[in-house]
Amino acid sequence: DAGVIQSPRHEVTEMGQEVTLRCKPISGHNSLFWYRQTMMRGLELLIYFNNNVPIDDSGMPEDRFSAKMPNASFSTLKIQPSEPRDSAVYFCASTPGGSYNEQFFGPGTRLTVL
Amino acid sequence: GIQVEQSPPDLILQEGANSTLRCNFSDSVNNLQWFHQNPWGQLINLFYIPSGTKQNGRLSATTVATERYSLLYISSSQTTDSGVYFCASSNDYKLSFGAGTTVTVRA
Repeated sequence: DAGVIQSPRHEVTEMGQEVTLRCKPISGHNSLFWYRQTMMRGLELLIYFNNNVPIDDSGMPEDRFSAKMPNASFSTLKIQPSEPRDSAVYFCASTPGGSYNEQFFGPGTRLTVL
Repeated sequence: GIQVEQSPPDLILQEGANSTLRCNFSDSVNNLQWFHQNPWGQLINLFYIPSGTKQNGRLSATTVATERYSLLYISSSQTTDSGVYFCASSNDYKLSFGAGTTVTVRA
């Protein structure tokens, strides 16, 4: 079975540009999470979707960040405009059934904003 | 959210040695996971263990939920075990991660 799929794996962009990260959860999983990993803050939850509905976006750092889940098999995280401090590894994770279940992580997208 | 503390922060092992990593958490949990972040940055699921004991090959884990800690055991360590080991826990949907234990296994 395919795991969580993320694209692109690496993204280098210039400050001010729009960045879109993509995630395909494991088939049948109805909870999806976006996390960010930085040296300073470690791994932190950005947003949580359940059945395609955003449940908790309190971790989204600023209005420059937005996330959507138009269907059960696709989610995007968009940063517009990007800033150098957004440089990080962004992970998508999914879990079946209730949110207490084991979360499975994608390979991550390493974002560098110059 | 739950506070998660991992110890030790760094561990250097000779190949073949055994080791124990510890994770303390601040509240009752219904999810506790151990991950290995490999040198390529991927987070590999090791155990989903909110309570009890599990084993997978040379790795095993024990969570004592009533005392709010979990242990990860690595036996007969190999160089491929190098990387960062994270503990993460939650009592809702929000996994809180520890700062990790960086393990270096020397040949």
